Amino acid sequence: GAGVSQSPSNKVTEKGKDVELRCDPISGHTALYWYRQSLGQGLEFLIYFQGNSAPDKSGLPSDRFSAERTGGSVSTLTIQRTQQEDSAVYLCASSYSGTATITIYGYTFGSGTRLTVV
Amino acid sequence: ELKVEQNPLFLSMQEGKNYTIYCNYSTTSDRLYWYRQDPGKSLESLFVLLSNGAVKQEGRLMASLDTKARLSTLHITAAVHDLSATYFCAVVRGGSQGNLIFGKGTKLSVKP
Repeated sequence: GAGVSQSPSNKVTEKGKDVELRCDPISGHTALYWYRQSLGQGLEFLIYFQGNSAPDKSGLPSDRFSAERTGGSVSTLTIQRTQQEDSAVYLCASSYSGTATITIYGYTFGSGTRLTVV
Repeated sequence: ELKVEQNPLFLSMQEGKNYTIYCNYSTTSDRLYWYRQDPGKSLESLFVLLSNGAVKQEGRLMASLDTKARLSTLHITAAVHDLSATYFCAVVRGGSQGNLIFGKGTKLSVKP
């Protein structure tokens, strides 16, 4: 597609439920990133997929958070047993790999999923 | 651990005035990005700075990078209301490719 697509754009869930957030990166982008942006805050890194390498999960805040990337394309971020502090906008970004191409084309962000846990 | 600090976090300025936003980062990196975010919107790429002394300009915004001081600045010249937004700087963890580490952002409000 032309851009990074995220769905749903808004999600309201009850505390304790599981949620899945989807990210469809730009075709050809081999790197994919998830970030969380709480109200009025900066972007907190969650997880990074690079090609077929093991993902960098160092930013995941707890074991309730997990992510998969199937076939090197679409990614799903899963939050189990949601808590109110999980309420935030979850942003996905994608990029090419390799210093030169990242330099030229940069990182492209999706519009985000606004998650509200009630 | 790479840390990125921006200041100020909030900036209210009058149209026509100049101001500078500062971005400090804690470890070596040769890629620094500036992004703009409008309320309820995603991030729009403004600049990527690649080397010491790099300067880029687009309209009323000019960004520079001093890798020795680990400092980038975003200078606003003769501000206009349309520049009101939140501006983020971000540094690539690991040097040249990898995930971005963001500052907390500077919320800019330009008043007539």
